[in-house]
Amino acid sequence: ETGVTQSPTHLIKTRGQQVTLRCSSQSGHNTVSWYQQALGQGPQFIFQYYREEENGRGNFPPRFSGLQFPNYSSELNVNALELDDSALYLCASSSGPESSNQPQHFGDGTRLSIL
Amino acid sequence: AQKITQTQPGMFVQEKEAVTLDCTYDTSDPSYGLFWYKQPSSGEMIFLIYQGSYDQQNATEGRYSLNFQKARKSANLVISASQLGDSAMYFCAMSRLNTGFQKLVFGTGTRLLVSP
Repeated sequence: ETGVTQSPTHLIKTRGQQVTLRCSSQSGHNTVSWYQQALGQGPQFIFQYYREEENGRGNFPPRFSGLQFPNYSSELNVNALELDDSALYLCASSSGPESSNQPQHFGDGTRLSIL
Repeated sequence: AQKITQTQPGMFVQEKEAVTLDCTYDTSDPSYGLFWYKQPSSGEMIFLIYQGSYDQQNATEGRYSLNFQKARKSANLVISASQLGDSAMYFCAMSRLNTGFQKLVFGTGTRLLVSP
């Protein structure tokens, strides 16, 4: 069973730039969620994708956007980067939004630093 | 709105002893799930244990058990026979059930240090 994989592991950008983070879901999982974890905090929900559509969104501005592909992999795009976007970005996959009692399985994350 | 509170920023325990990590939650939803995750320094969130709001029995998974007290809105994690590899951050999280999507709400975490 292949777990959740994220790329890249680390990334350094400057303010105003744009970034794309990638995630491959665990085999058999069709739902992907993205979380932002600032230093010393718990993860915050950004959004969830199911069947290639955004299925739910947290309190993040529109410059945070995403995609899900037919193979269930996903991208997180952030435009006009700000210093506060520096964080660990975690991708999680699960077996479907109707299975909300099943755990989400997380990748190792992408650590994004904004200079 | 849902909220998770973890009041212990750090906990210390000796190897082979048991330790309890506290978690209280707030929600007006009748149907919800509670999760515990472990986050080593590598960053990956590792699922440990799950408790549903309607589950009659406390969940157990190997050395992990969940002390679920619904009336007090608490869901404490008990780790028995601590091991050095248990040193990590531990997060309590919750999600509404049967909503068509799963959004996990996390607490701020507890750092556990296991000493020899």
